[in-house]
Order: sequence, then C-alpha cells, then structure tokens
Amino acid sequence: EPEVTQTPSHQVTQMGQEVILRCVPISNHLYFYWYRQILGQKVEFLVSFYNNEISEKSEIFDDQFSVERPDGSNFTLKIRSTKLEDSAMYFCASSVSREGAFFGQGTRLTVV
Amino acid sequence: GESVGLHLPTLSVQEGDNSIINCAYSNSASDYFIWYKQESGKGPQFIIDIRSNMDKRQGQRVTVLLNKTVKHLSLQIAATQPGDSAVYFCAESTGGGADGLTFGKGTHLIIQP
Repeated sequence: EPEVTQTPSHQVTQMGQEVILRCVPISNHLYFYWYRQILGQKVEFLVSFYNNEISEKSEIFDDQFSVERPDGSNFTLKIRSTKLEDSAMYFCASSVSREGAFFGQGTRLTVV
Repeated sequence: GESVGLHLPTLSVQEGDNSIINCAYSNSASDYFIWYKQESGKGPQFIIDIRSNMDKRQGQRVTVLLNKTVKHLSLQIAATQPGDSAVYFCAESTGGGADGLTFGKGTHLIIQP
C-alpha cells in the first residue's frame, strides 16, 4: 500500500540552527500538507501546497518557515532559525484531491 | 509557561462490542470532516470522511454520523478488535477539503479482552 514517507524519524538540533524536514508524498497525489503535534497537544495545521505554491497557511507558519517541492517527488519543510518551542512531531500529508489527507509517520524534532 | 498536556477522554469497551466515539465541533461553517486513528508513535491514519451534505457514511466496520443541527459527529466501530486500540481524532475544515484541518483533542479507545 502506498504511503507518505518522512525522513529523518528524529532530528535533534541546537536552537538557532536551520532544519529541513523531508517528505516523499504518495506518488499520484497533488496536494501536500505539513502539520505538527507538540507533545500532549492537538495536531495543528501549518501549511498546504498545491500546484507549486502555498494554498493556505496558519498563523504558526510565519517567516521562519518555508516549504518547497524541489523535484517531482520530495516535499520539504524548512525552519530557518529553530526555537525551543518548535520542538514537536512534524507530519507531512498528501492527497490526490482536496479530500482525505494521508499522513506520514512523522519526524520528531527536538530543539535543545 | 508550563505546557499542560491534553487530558484525553477514555472509552473502554469489551472486545467484540461496538464502540461509539463522539466529537463536538463549534464552527458552523465546517463542511468536511475526517476521522483519524493514531497509534502510539505513529502518524494519524485516515479512517473515513464525510461531507456536510451527508448525514451518514459507512466504511468497512465503521460508520460516521453527522448531525449539523447540533454540530456533532460520531464514529461507530463494529465488533471492536484489539487492533482498534488507539487515539481517535475528528478533524474538520471549511471550504470542502483537507486544507487547514482543525483537529479535536482525541478519544483514547481501550479494548478489553
């Protein structure tokens, strides 16, 4: 069964450093999303991406965040200067239409 | 400040019984709803979705009911199995799609042998 793949599974970074979280969406999907889940909190929407541009973003997705689809298979989330409060599980999701987003296993980001 | 974790409601059912997990939403403009299952250390797993022009949708062993009048969503799982143990989230959005899903806090379903 096709699935969304995320790497790495766990990333530890120092505060102020840049991180790039990587995702390979399901191959025929056209809509891509990033969500995050701070430990013990709800899953929160960050950004959606379609046709090579951001289609929607939340208040969390400020200038420190960016997304890119550098080639036909990868979808990345970059955090320019990480803060302690960026520590969370980051989930990539994709969908073939605007319905039914399928999530990856997540990348646990720990900022120290 | 201190971060307070979510206190998840817990539903404990006997293996083989039916489970009903409930979700209340507040945004009357929400028109698309998804139920997700999340096992420990894994990402949310899509179970079933429903649009606001429907009040019931069935899948394999699962049924979602939507009551727009009282802004209530439920997930029924028939003949629960040990593998159904997980946290179940409802998620909603406006605009008819999975953009900008707002997740509920989840219900922890425990299956008793």
